[in-house]
Amino acid sequence: RKEVEQDPGPFNVPEGATVAFNCTYSNSASQSFFWYRQDCRKEPKLLMSVYSSGNEDGRFTAQLNRASQYISLLIRDSKLSDSATYLCVVNKDPGYALNFGKGTSLLVTP
Amino acid sequence: DTGVSQNPRHKITKRGQNVTFRCDPISEHNRLYWYRQTLGQGPEFLTYFQNEAQLEKSRLLSDRFSAERPKGSFSTLEIQRTEQGDSAMYLCASSPPGQGKAYTEAFFGQGTRLTVV
Repeated sequence: RKEVEQDPGPFNVPEGATVAFNCTYSNSASQSFFWYRQDCRKEPKLLMSVYSSGNEDGRFTAQLNRASQYISLLIRDSKLSDSATYLCVVNKDPGYALNFGKGTSLLVTP
Repeated sequence: DTGVSQNPRHKITKRGQNVTFRCDPISEHNRLYWYRQTLGQGPEFLTYFQNEAQLEKSRLLSDRFSAERPKGSFSTLEIQRTEQGDSAMYLCASSPPGQGKAYTEAFFGQGTRLTVV
């Protein structure tokens, strides 16, 4: 079983739609959780950290359920510029490395 | 440009040749990571340096792979006797100091795309 699993998609949604991505992780000792965004042929960039209480950054909301080992990302009012691959990331415990999921591809269409 | 810099950006090599990639992290970032990414996959961890010490290595890092960070600044990743399966994007990331193993945001370079023919 992979340490971080995501639905690869692709998710094709119209502008203005709300879309949700899910992710599960296998290591119950993991402490740090993130969503990264990766544009085509570009490097990954941190989108947001994910906290147990849930957190929001503009149109983006991240949730963490430690009991279910489940992480989600909700994007409201999708923009064309949101088209990218969204990577679920969990720290490796013990250790310093980050474990990345395969990524979920999002395409927002006019 | 004060971001993470990687060179070369692209490398095409013949099977069996050795290649070396360089990563210059953001200054004052003492943490440096190497990852490998193949098409359709997320980045896979290869190795981690804290200053000049290599503290963690993935089992992906076979005997043909070696990484160094001699003075705690730039790092090199060498692949000996390259194989076609080594074709991938090699990403370097750096992050600032943190308390213990507490995570600090990793900033990625644009990567070196290796093609082994």
